[in-house]
Amino acid sequence: SQQGEEDPQALSIQEGENATMNCSYKTSINNLQWYRQNSGRGLVHLILIRSNEREKHSGRLRVTLDTSKKSSSLLITASRAADTASYFCAPRRRPGGGADGLTFGKGTHLIIQP
Amino acid sequence: GAGVSQSPRYKVAKRGQDVALRCDPISGHVSLFWYQQALGQGPEFLTYFQNEAQLDKSGLPSDRFFAERPEGSVSTLKIQRTQQEDSAVYLCASSGHREEGQKLFFGSGTQLSVL
Repeated sequence: SQQGEEDPQALSIQEGENATMNCSYKTSINNLQWYRQNSGRGLVHLILIRSNEREKHSGRLRVTLDTSKKSSSLLITASRAADTASYFCAPRRRPGGGADGLTFGKGTHLIIQP
Repeated sequence: GAGVSQSPRYKVAKRGQDVALRCDPISGHVSLFWYQQALGQGPEFLTYFQNEAQLDKSGLPSDRFFAERPEGSVSTLKIQRTQQEDSAVYLCASSGHREEGQKLFFGSGTQLSVL
């Protein structure tokens, strides 16, 4: 299965702390994507990391990828209440779009305590 | 429009009724996906279109589910004779040309409740 599995399933931290969530997958990939879903909304793309990249940054987000371990991590630094959401990883085997659509695990449910 | 638009936002149906859910993708996006998301779960793939062609419908749970995209733009997901287990959020997503096609743009979904 191409599906990624996020860990932990739930995470509660204090505002200002860093949040780390992990993703494991089973197949070889072309890229891996992280998405966020706020309650009652659709998923929003956060960041894409390609298989030949090891680390990528976007604002307060840092993503790492270890293809030898088939794992990725998402770090959110200096968390804010607005970061409360579910986070999903989506490994992708093939480049480009197409029928190789993204599949999602159950996500990590992140709660930022004020 | 600026993003993917889905309607209605909420739909309540009596068991046995037929429902139709609409998706307006981002203009020019070739690929369109439908997902089903149960409460507390991740989105589950239902079906995929490239322009008007339905290339993958392996995720449709039963023959009561039918999707179409006749002109390669707007798509409709139809559920016939709805059952309580069909209650979920139905998400539509689209993606564009090759480079942007790496990522999906999602609508806010239609929350379907079958009573």
